[in-house]
Formats: sequence, structure tokens, C-alpha cells
Amino acid sequence: AQTVTQSQPEMSVQEAETVTLSCTYDTSENNYYLFWYKQPPSRQMILVIRQEAYKQQNATENRFSVNFQKAAKSFSLKISDSQLGDTAMYFCAFMKMAGANSKLTFGKGITLSVRP
Amino acid sequence: DVKVTQSSRYLVKRTGEKVFLECVQDMDHENMFWYRQDPGLGLRLIYFSYDVKMKEKGDIPEGYSVSREKKERFSLILESASTNQTSMYLCASSPVGPNEAFFGQGTRLTVV
Repeated sequence: AQTVTQSQPEMSVQEAETVTLSCTYDTSENNYYLFWYKQPPSRQMILVIRQEAYKQQNATENRFSVNFQKAAKSFSLKISDSQLGDTAMYFCAFMKMAGANSKLTFGKGITLSVRP
Repeated sequence: DVKVTQSSRYLVKRTGEKVFLECVQDMDHENMFWYRQDPGLGLRLIYFSYDVKMKEKGDIPEGYSVSREKKERFSLILESASTNQTSMYLCASSPVGPNEAFFGQGTRLTVV
């Protein structure tokens, strides 16, 4: 079974600064996907970024980028130039690549507050 | 845009009631999921379905059942609601294979 660990329950960052959210996971699979989801106060879960494990290059999506360390089973999210709208819960998630019945396994989430 | 719609945003039910949470998606996705979200516990999978009338238990199926009679609709049923089922319930859907899941807006259920 896969597990996803987000050890920091809360973080705070000043607007315009950079923040990194940590995530580690445990799996015996070699091929898989990793995701970061954002859940703002509106409760709508939104995909922030995804990473395929077979790709060595770290995924980037505008101000969001990841540091994927496959050997260490680490998948951190960096948010650059933080904005007030980044205030949300962030969930790290894992998905096996094999098979049709792919489902997400989530971490416990981290609450990020961006201070004006 | 993909849309996953949950029938209620807030729901209050009494202990022992049978509760139905409905979810509809409009993107012809094969996979549908029900998650429960609790503070400090993240999202935990209750049940998922990969085809009409097909279902699999997730991590916490006890006290719940599901129904998927049509591809676009996935219902979560609390046979006899209890106060420990007070929680946020999130429905999601995804295409077949390892793909991004799309979520509904959540139903906050309170059992009194």
C-alpha cells in the first residue's frame, strides 16, 4: 500500500515571497504519478501540478514548481511570488500508473496562509 | 470545462436516518470516487467505481454503500447515519487510467 506524508500542518508566508511545501511518500511501485492539489476556502479542489515518475525533469506551472527526488521519495512544491489567492489547503497525492482502476492516495494536507 | 456536481453543499440529518449523497459528472468519465475529508486526516477514500454497476471498497467503507446505475451518477449511501459520520464528503471523477481527478464542491454533512 502507498502512503503519503505531509508532516507540516501549517505554514505562513509573506506576500511576494517564496515558500516550499514538503511531501514524502512510500511505495514499491516504479511507475506512478504525483500531484499537488489546492483547496481554497471555497472548498473546490483544483489540480496545481503533476509529475510523472519516469520523467527526470521537474514539472513547472507558472509560479508553481516541484522538486521531485525519486530515490528519496520526496515531492515538494515551491510557490514563487506568493499571492493572497494562494491561501488554501494543499494536498500531495500519489497515483499508481498501472491499470484502469487508478485512484489517488492523499496526504493529510497543509494549510498555507499568505500574509499581506 | 469538466463539471462534477454534488447535490447538496450542506446537509443536516438525524442519527439513524438513511442518507443519500448524489454526484453527477458531465465528462463521460469511467472512474468516480467518494472521499471523506476530516481535519488532520486529509482525504480518505470510501468507495470508487470504474464502470456502471462496478464498485470497489476504499480505505474506510464501513457504514457506507454506493450505487452507480448510470455512468454519470455515483451515489453514496449512509444506511443508518451516525454522529461519527459528520464530515465533508467529496466526489471526484477521472478518465480511465492514471489521470487527474476532478472534484465536486463538497457536501458538509452534519449528523445530529
